[in-house]
Amino acid sequence: RKEVEQDPGPFNVPEGATVAFNCTYSNSASQSFFWYRQDCRKEPKLLMSVYSSGNEDGRFTAQLNRASQYISLLIRDSKLSDSATYLCVVNILTGGGNKLTFGTGTQLKVEL
Amino acid sequence: DAGITQSPRHKVTETGTPVTLRCHQTENHRYMYWYRQDPGHGLRLIHYSYGVKDTDKGEVSDGYSVSRSKTEDFLLTLESATSSQTSVYFCAISTGAVNTEAFFGQGTRLTVV
Repeated sequence: RKEVEQDPGPFNVPEGATVAFNCTYSNSASQSFFWYRQDCRKEPKLLMSVYSSGNEDGRFTAQLNRASQYISLLIRDSKLSDSATYLCVVNILTGGGNKLTFGTGTQLKVEL
Repeated sequence: DAGITQSPRHKVTETGTPVTLRCHQTENHRYMYWYRQDPGHGLRLIHYSYGVKDTDKGEVSDGYSVSRSKTEDFLLTLESATSSQTSVYFCAISTGAVNTEAFFGQGTRLTVV
């Protein structure tokens, strides 16, 4: 079983739609959680960190449920420029330190 | 932008030849990571380092070795390249503190023919 699992999509949505991505992780030693965004043929970049209390940044809301080992990302009023791959990332504490583990990513296409 | 550079950015090599990819940082971050990215697999961790001369394996370490002799440089070596190692390779750096982000290099596109 993969340590971090995501629905690969693609999610094709019209402009203005609300879309939700989900991610599950299997390692209870996971310490911190992130959503990254990756544009085609570019490097991943941090979108937002994810906290148990939930956090919001403009149109983006991230939520963590430690009991269910589940992370979510909600995008409201989606824009064409939101088209990208969204990566769920978990920081797992190991004997060798912090290991950043990525999900396979969920592709989003926002259409007119 | 974080001070992280990868070299080379593109490389074509023949099967069986050794290849070394370099990741250089100017941020003095403790952690450095090497990932490969392939369609359908996302980013998979090859090796990572949590300090000078301190390294550990990731999920796809077979066929790869790494070295970190100084804080700023993390080298990834393919001792004998195979076609299955054709991929895009990303280096990342992080302070290692909880809830701090990792910054990525622009990637190296490696083709093994």
